[in-house]
Amino acid sequence: GAGVSQTPSNKVTEKGKYVELRCDPISGHTALYWYRQSLGQGPEFLIYFQGTGAADDSGLPNDRFFAVRPEGSVSTLKIQRTERGDSAVYLCASSLSSAGFNEQFFGPGTRLTVL
Amino acid sequence: AQKVTQAQTEISVVEKEDVTLDCVYETRDTTYYLFWYKQPPSGELVFLIRRNSFDEQNEISGRYSWNFQKSTSSFNFTITASQVVDSAVYFCALSGVSGNTPLVFGKGTRLSVIA
Repeated sequence: GAGVSQTPSNKVTEKGKYVELRCDPISGHTALYWYRQSLGQGPEFLIYFQGTGAADDSGLPNDRFFAVRPEGSVSTLKIQRTERGDSAVYLCASSLSSAGFNEQFFGPGTRLTVL
Repeated sequence: AQKVTQAQTEISVVEKEDVTLDCVYETRDTTYYLFWYKQPPSGELVFLIRRNSFDEQNEISGRYSWNFQKSTSSFNFTITASQVVDSAVYFCALSGVSGNTPLVFGKGTRLSVIA
């Protein structure tokens, strides 16, 4: 079956621009997570959705970052007024539910470069 | 707060050698889950194993084995008879069991297996 997909795979933008990163989770998975992975680091949690609602957005670094999941499936991570420090790989993961024992399946990531 | 420490940043071994990747974790939860993920050069995180905090039995899967010791808060991963295809970054991760269950990752260990 299809895994988690993310588009675009690469995004290069200029400082100050707005970007949107898309995640298509595995069909039937109700929980969706966004992580950010900087070079040489492990993924760091940003936000997670259970269904359509953001259950925890405590990992978002500031109010320039926002994510939506309007129909409980596809999610979009939005970054306003991008800064060079936002450059990283943005990973999306989905799982059957948000219970801790559920394996999270990761997408290939979107590599964001802010010039 | 939850924390995962992978003290080994990089390890290099010759093919067919055994190698152990260390993972030490911190949590106040009495019930939690531990995971290992592999991140090959392609970038996509691949799930390897999940372990419940109540199950301290060691596990073996082919050339992979895991040693969970609650007394020392460690969850080490051993690859026996390493192969070049094992070259990747390996992440240890921790999650709780409540509804809010983002994974907390270590910084990863980069394993290079030389032919």
